Amino acid sequence: DSGVTQTPKHLITATGQRVTLRCSPRSGDLSVYWYQQSLDQGLQFLIQYYNGEERAKGNILERFSAQQFPDLHSELNLSSLELGDSALYFCASSPGTAQGEQYFGPGTRLTVT
Amino acid sequence: LAKTTQPISMDSYEGQEVNITCSHNNIATNDYITWYQQFPSQGPRFIIQGYKTKVTNEVASLFIPADRKSSTLSLPRVSLSDTAVYYCLVGGSNYQLIWGAGTKLIIKP
Repeated sequence: DSGVTQTPKHLITATGQRVTLRCSPRSGDLSVYWYQQSLDQGLQFLIQYYNGEERAKGNILERFSAQQFPDLHSELNLSSLELGDSALYFCASSPGTAQGEQYFGPGTRLTVT
Repeated sequence: LAKTTQPISMDSYEGQEVNITCSHNNIATNDYITWYQQFPSQGPRFIIQGYKTKVTNEVASLFIPADRKSSTLSLPRVSLSDTAVYYCLVGGSNYQLIWGAGTKLIIKP
């Protein structure tokens, strides 16, 4: 158990809909990272937050947005969903900025039908 | 911007030493090199991190040559449970994180 929690574990929705994925980092970690992993694909870095502020952006679509709240939990919002958005979405946390070990959550499996 | 390249897949046998190399020609001066292991439907798990020369922990060694344009993850005496995907990650400076596409390692009995 990494100490990072993600909810929900599974999510099934229809095309065009909007969903919110939630992540709670390890106690004391200030950085949160979001990743997308499509079936049998590698990890695609989406975005990083550090202590409430956006720090780095990867391959995040304009239909996706994220934020980190004062209690350090983070949410990833996915809108106008397409079939191709079906994937595992991982959240990771780390104590500081991008250097150092990231602790990954169990992931949210999103299925868009 | 750094780009990481690693073999798509590798096979080996139980008890052998496995070396997986990652190429990162444009690594920045302050970037670290980190390796993660991932089992199906699980989040990646940290294996080892280094900046230069050699780093060793209880599960692996990481070799980084002086020019830092590549790195090699060494897994000693692998077992069937080491079958997984291994990712090379370069970054940290300027908040950029560059992940390799992953190497699928299959260990045979």
